[in-house]
Amino acid sequence: QQQVKQSPQSLIVQKGGISIINCAYENTAFDYFPWYQQFPGKGPALLIAIRPDVSEKKEGRFTISFNKSAKQFSLHIMDSQPGDSATYFCAATGNTPLVFGKGTRLSVIA
Amino acid sequence: KAGVTQTPRYLIKTRGQQVTLSCSPISGHRSVSWYQQTPGQGLQFLFEYFSETQRNKGNFPGRFSGRQFSNSRSEMNVSTLELGDSALYLCASSGTLGLSEQFFGPGTRLTVL
Repeated sequence: QQQVKQSPQSLIVQKGGISIINCAYENTAFDYFPWYQQFPGKGPALLIAIRPDVSEKKEGRFTISFNKSAKQFSLHIMDSQPGDSATYFCAATGNTPLVFGKGTRLSVIA
Repeated sequence: KAGVTQTPRYLIKTRGQQVTLSCSPISGHRSVSWYQQTPGQGLQFLFEYFSETQRNKGNFPGRFSGRQFSNSRSEMNVSTLELGDSALYLCASSGTLGLSEQFFGPGTRLTVL
């Protein structure tokens, strides 16, 4: 049973554009929602995370928007750069093992 | 602080063999989790060890096992390898914030022929 659904599977964005990746979850016991960034040949690295008591969190060009009632959260990458090209995973946990979305392969083209 | 290290980085085995992968967590971290990453299934949780005890277990067959040593280093073992076991095996360590904050190693790429 996939508990975190992520879309799109792949995304191509022009340099300077906004990249948006969406996730939806089912388990209301989840209370921590991290995003991971993975480059080829590397393990996932924690990018940004949010708890459900806030609706938005921003760190530099990366913003998480969180909608508790809809059980959805999204990652926005502003001013996308070629160096942002990677696979992005959303995840959820309630101090339980992380449940990951299937990932989004982002390509930022110049 | 050194990150999570995994050895070996690459392995090639044949069906029916067994394999042992090793993970050294970040210094001071006592929780180690293992994940399997494949293109089709994505990242799937295998098990978690804390203070030498298995604390959580994912939905994998008994061929997959693990252990943790008193220095928090962990090993996972896969017996009777199948072609479908070909994957990137990732180890993640957690500190005082628990499973909410996990730091991943670079993974071991296992290929089963």
